[in-house]
Amino acid sequence: DAKTTQPPSMDCAEGRAANLPCNHSTISGNEYVYWYRQIHSQGPQYIIHGLKNNETNEMASLIITEDRKSSTLILPHATLRDTAVYYCIVRALGGTASKLTFGTGTRLQVTL
Amino acid sequence: EAQVTQNPRYLITVTGKKLTVTCSQNMNHEYMSWYRQDPGLGLRQIYYSMNVEVTDKGDVPEGYKVSRKEKRNFPLILESPSPNQTSLYFCASSLRMTGIPYQPQHFGDGTRLSIL
Repeated sequence: DAKTTQPPSMDCAEGRAANLPCNHSTISGNEYVYWYRQIHSQGPQYIIHGLKNNETNEMASLIITEDRKSSTLILPHATLRDTAVYYCIVRALGGTASKLTFGTGTRLQVTL
Repeated sequence: EAQVTQNPRYLITVTGKKLTVTCSQNMNHEYMSWYRQDPGLGLRQIYYSMNVEVTDKGDVPEGYKVSRKEKRNFPLILESPSPNQTSLYFCASSLRMTGIPYQPQHFGDGTRLSIL
């Protein structure tokens, strides 16, 4: 799986958009970008995933650059409940890929 | 409610005393997995199971055993726990891990083990 690089921490004011970057410059053509988050030692929670097109669901939007070497997770209106560690993971879909490799992620602190 | 249930949530025990952490899911998922989480090391996979009676080692299997006799249950067994197995453990399940579309993993709330 390709390696990802994320800033260790970020702050965001409540109600504003939180933009979390992820660098994955060695991503290969069949690898997807996945985002999970972990709220204070709870089990990680799936957020969104994408290959090359931008994706949106009820939780967030995922913007992937045209060269696919980086992506941004956007929480459009961050709340205090979004304070968590956010993990960007790159891996191929299917095959024998059987685990998620979590790095150290970005600790997002949402403040009043 | 769809969920992955782990028990116990917290356990303090002593070196060498066998223990079992249970994991149960009610979503009829084929895939189940155990992770441990340690500060600075992220989540590391211990064992996984692609289906009933099919288990395989993850990245850090030493000192652990698992079994998958039924689809819903995937217990983690520490036959002779040692202090370096003190950690936060998560069980996860997914409908499947191969094929399209992607099936996200659902995680339990974690089990914090302290081995003295």
